[in-house]
Amino acid sequence: DTAVSQTPKYLVTQMGNDKSIKCEQNLGHDTMYWYKQDSKKFLKIMFSYNNKELIINETVPNRFSPKSPDKAHLNLHINSLELGDSAVYFCASSQVRMMNTGELFFGEGSRLTVL
Amino acid sequence: GQQVMQIPQYQHVQEGEDFTTYCNSSTTLSNIQWYKQRPGGHPVFLIQLVKSGEVKKQKRLTFQFGEAKKNSSLHITATQTTDVGTYFCAGGYISNFGNEKLTFGTGTRLTIIP
Repeated sequence: DTAVSQTPKYLVTQMGNDKSIKCEQNLGHDTMYWYKQDSKKFLKIMFSYNNKELIINETVPNRFSPKSPDKAHLNLHINSLELGDSAVYFCASSQVRMMNTGELFFGEGSRLTVL
Repeated sequence: GQQVMQIPQYQHVQEGEDFTTYCNSSTTLSNIQWYKQRPGGHPVFLIQLVKSGEVKKQKRLTFQFGEAKKNSSLHITATQTTDVGTYFCAGGYISNFGNEKLTFGTGTRLTIIP
């Protein structure tokens, strides 16, 4: 059983389109994240949700909208895709205890290519 | 925002040689974590250090957290081809809202020459 699974693994789309990436974790964690990894391999946090509540929202364009229907799911919707959105998007989860993030469990990543 | 710098950015070593990557933060960290990402893979947790001056070992890997909790290092003894990948540190910062945020370092990409 995959602990953190995200779909799709690959997305190739045209500029201006809208796309979604889905993430699910079966670890019972209360916190989920979206990270973006660019071509230089820099990993940057985008959003974090704790029990369906948004707790971290980095400087990310409004075209990116996360949604957490329950604590096991965190989806990412991107409107009006731009070339610069091409990257690998990683979903992750962790169990936060006493303000300590704890070990992050990452999904396998979704590689988005915008043409 | 907080930045975590890692050096070197790239390291090529002969198999059997040692390897070290260093991580530096301009502000005090609540804790530091280390991750390994194999080529084409996803980051995988290695360890977390919380206490000032803490040293932890995992087989050939030695992790250190500085006394001031602003820097950390990962040292691999006698590298093997299975050590290939990018090593990231991730520093924990307490935000103004009281929750912790992990900021990943820039990563060190290790390649091994057989």
